Parts: sequence; C-alpha cells; structure tokens
Amino acid sequence: ILNVEQSPQSLHVQEGDSTNFTCSFPSSNFYALHWYRWETAKSPEALFVMTLNGDEKKKGRISATLNTKEGYSYLYIKGSQPEDSATYLCAFGVSNDMRFGAGTRLTVKP
Amino acid sequence: DAGVIQSPRHEVTEMGQEVTLRCKPISGHNSLFWYRQTMMRGLELLIYFNNNVPIDDSGMPEDRFSAKMPNASFSTLKIQPSEPRDSAVYFCASSWTGASEKLFFGSGTQLSVL
Repeated sequence: ILNVEQSPQSLHVQEGDSTNFTCSFPSSNFYALHWYRWETAKSPEALFVMTLNGDEKKKGRISATLNTKEGYSYLYIKGSQPEDSATYLCAFGVSNDMRFGAGTRLTVKP
Repeated sequence: DAGVIQSPRHEVTEMGQEVTLRCKPISGHNSLFWYRQTMMRGLELLIYFNNNVPIDDSGMPEDRFSAKMPNASFSTLKIQPSEPRDSAVYFCASSWTGASEKLFFGSGTQLSVL
C-alpha cells in the first residue's frame, strides 16, 4: 500500500499571504511525485511532475520542491489570490501506479 | 483533442440496479485509471489499465465492481448490484505510460444510489 500523506488538511489565508503545504510519501522505490490543483465542481489538473531529488518546479506564483531521500515535497504559493482557492493534491507514482493523498484544501479570503 | 470524456455526468439509480459508467481516454494515451472520490477516503484508485490490460485491481472494493477496456478508446466500470454506499463521484483519467506522465481527468460521474 502506498501511503501518501498531506498536511495540513485545510488552510485559510488572507489575500496576499504566502503559504505552503507538505506531501509525504514512501522514500523507497520512488518514480515520480505529482501535484494537482482541484477546483470545486471541476476535475483535477496537473501542476507539476517531479522525478529527481532536489527538483524544483515553478509556474507563476506556485512552486514545488522535492526531497526523495526523506520522502517529502513542498508546494508554495506566493502572494495568494482568491482564485488560488482549491484543493491541492499530491500523487506518488511507483511504476504506473498513481496514488493520491487526501489533499490540502486552501481558501484564500479577499 | 476533446480530453477524457466520461458519461453519464450524473446517474441516479435504485439499490440493486446495475450501473455502467463509461470513459473515452485521450487518443494515444495507453494508461487508463478509474478513481472514486468520497469524503472519507478522498481520491481512491480503483483499477488501472495499461495497453488495455488491467494491471492492478486491488482497489476495487468488492466483486460487485468490475471494469473492462475492450479497446484503446473505451472503458467501462460496472457496479452490479449497486448499493447506497457506492454513491460517490467516479473519475476516469488517462496518460501515456509511466509514473512521470501527468494524468488527464474526465469530468467525473456523480453516482447516487437510493
């Protein structure tokens, strides 16, 4: 069983705040770590896929880092905006098997 | 490409009835996944296929659930007989083979079993 843990479960921040959340995964047999953004009433959409220890990815105000040796990834949002409100999922891949964490639900208040 | 297409978008049925959910993956993708979203478990992997072959169905909750992929452009998830606790949103996703390939999700099927 692939246990993917995300924390916190939910987060409320003010517009303009920067925030970050964590994804923990088994450090053995690592293939890839994915981050997805899931807005209410929509489908999850891929943000980043990371495969190498030390990988850092950035898309606008959102960035992610990866530590495969200790089994964690951080997602950062700089200067949060109300449109960033969504659930952020990480998924851990072993071979072709993709398992998702429960997600961090972010609410950004104007 | 139209993306991953799921049907129906909503399904309301009575306990004991057979339910069939359908998925058309993105053309060219050779991996297909069925996930179920519930409040308790989040996004739970039910089964995935690679090149139309089921690779891991350990997430399928019971024998009442079955999935098929008769060809590269179509998959079904069947529940027979359905029960109220099967009520959830069922997502299909597709990708190219490999854990480093991102998943593309369909819009999901909201299933309600009364």
